[in-house]
Amino acid sequence: GAGVSQSPSNKVTEKGKDVELRCDPISGHTALYWYRQSLGQGLEFLIYFQGNSAPDKSGLPSDRFSAERTGGSVSTLTIQRTQQEDSAVYLCASSSRTGVRTGELFFGEGSRLTVL
Amino acid sequence: DQQVKQNSPSLSVQEGRISILNCDYTNSMFDYFLWYKKYPAEGPTFLISISSIKDKNEDGRFTVFLNKSAKHLSLHIVPSQPGDSAVYFCAATDDYKLSFGAGTTVTVRA
Repeated sequence: GAGVSQSPSNKVTEKGKDVELRCDPISGHTALYWYRQSLGQGLEFLIYFQGNSAPDKSGLPSDRFSAERTGGSVSTLTIQRTQQEDSAVYLCASSSRTGVRTGELFFGEGSRLTVL
Repeated sequence: DQQVKQNSPSLSVQEGRISILNCDYTNSMFDYFLWYKKYPAEGPTFLISISSIKDKNEDGRFTVFLNKSAKHLSLHIVPSQPGDSAVYFCAATDDYKLSFGAGTTVTVRA
């Protein structure tokens, strides 16, 4: 596709349920990132993929959060046993290996997660 | 530990006047600084960047200034237009990932 695609755009779930968020990066982009934006907060880094490997998972808030990337393309962020503090907009972004410095980091529209 | 800080959560400016957005950082290893713009229900989009070896970069109505000794950068928008109303994020990197500030919401009044 032309841009980064994320689904679902909105997800409402009950506390304790598991959720999966999907990201389709721009074709050919080897780097993929997950960020989240909580209400009134900035963009918080979660995880970085280079190809199918995740050399930096330092931003994942707890072991309830996990992510994988397959075929160097689609990525899934999974949140198990959701809590109310997980409510946020989850943003996926992709770039070429060296694109971050030059502004060639492209974001999707985000998945808004609401945990009741 | 927030390495990029935007201390002004909001800014209101009259159309045609200058908007000045400020950003401070703590990591001296950062070598590129960027500004992103975000409209509601959309992802952030790149606006302008500056390398740490420069002190100014200009692109049309947008100019970014970098003061390395003060670990401070600013974004000037001249003249401000109604379409500039958005959230502006300051970001910095020293390798593969961007660290973002909390954002400044700019409202341009007619």
